Amino acid sequence: AQSVAQPEDQVNVAEGNPLTVKCTYSVSGNPYLFWYVQYPNRGLQFLLKYITGDNLVKGSYGFEAEFNKSQTSFHLKKPSALVSDSALYFCALYGNKLVFGAGTILRVKS
Amino acid sequence: EPEVTQTPSHQVTQMGQEVILRCVPISNHLYFYWYRQILGQKVEFLVSFYNNEISEKSEIFDDQFSVERPDGSNFTLKIRSTKLEDSAMYFCASRTSVGVARTNSPLHFGNGTRLTVT
Repeated sequence: AQSVAQPEDQVNVAEGNPLTVKCTYSVSGNPYLFWYVQYPNRGLQFLLKYITGDNLVKGSYGFEAEFNKSQTSFHLKKPSALVSDSALYFCALYGNKLVFGAGTILRVKS
Repeated sequence: EPEVTQTPSHQVTQMGQEVILRCVPISNHLYFYWYRQILGQKVEFLVSFYNNEISEKSEIFDDQFSVERPDGSNFTLKIRSTKLEDSAMYFCASRTSVGVARTNSPLHFGNGTRLTVT
């Protein structure tokens, strides 16, 4: 069975500070991992994905994610947060279908 | 950039009525999906569709639900005899089959239809 966990319901960061949104996964076989962002009353926007290769994946809007196989994690990061980054972030795992984590609300305060 | 479009953006219906949620996937995509998100909760997989048939469905997708691709562009989700607990955001998504790693091309989502059952 495949599963994704986002241990934090909410992350609060000051603008300009680095941010991390955590994600761990469980799957048999190779993981295909994704991050999506959801703004209020909008659909899910693709940010980045890990399929294979470099453990550090770069995506849209300055976000990146670090794949760690030994810790079965795929944390989303950004060196300097913006207020406009405030949104709901979903980690997702693709096995035979895309399975989402519960989501983490990111609040960036000025 | 091509988008997945969903109509209507908001649908209000009475309990027991049938609703049809409509989606136009990106034109060269061949894999289609419906997800739902109950307010404040996680995004849940409902069904995937490929080559004019359901490829997988979740336990949520019971006989009350059906999907159809009536023509070359639309992909619909029908909910028969709606219940209060069907109130949610319903997202359509599609992905391309083109490419070497076709199982891991990202899903592109529409903006969703908010279904309110009263």
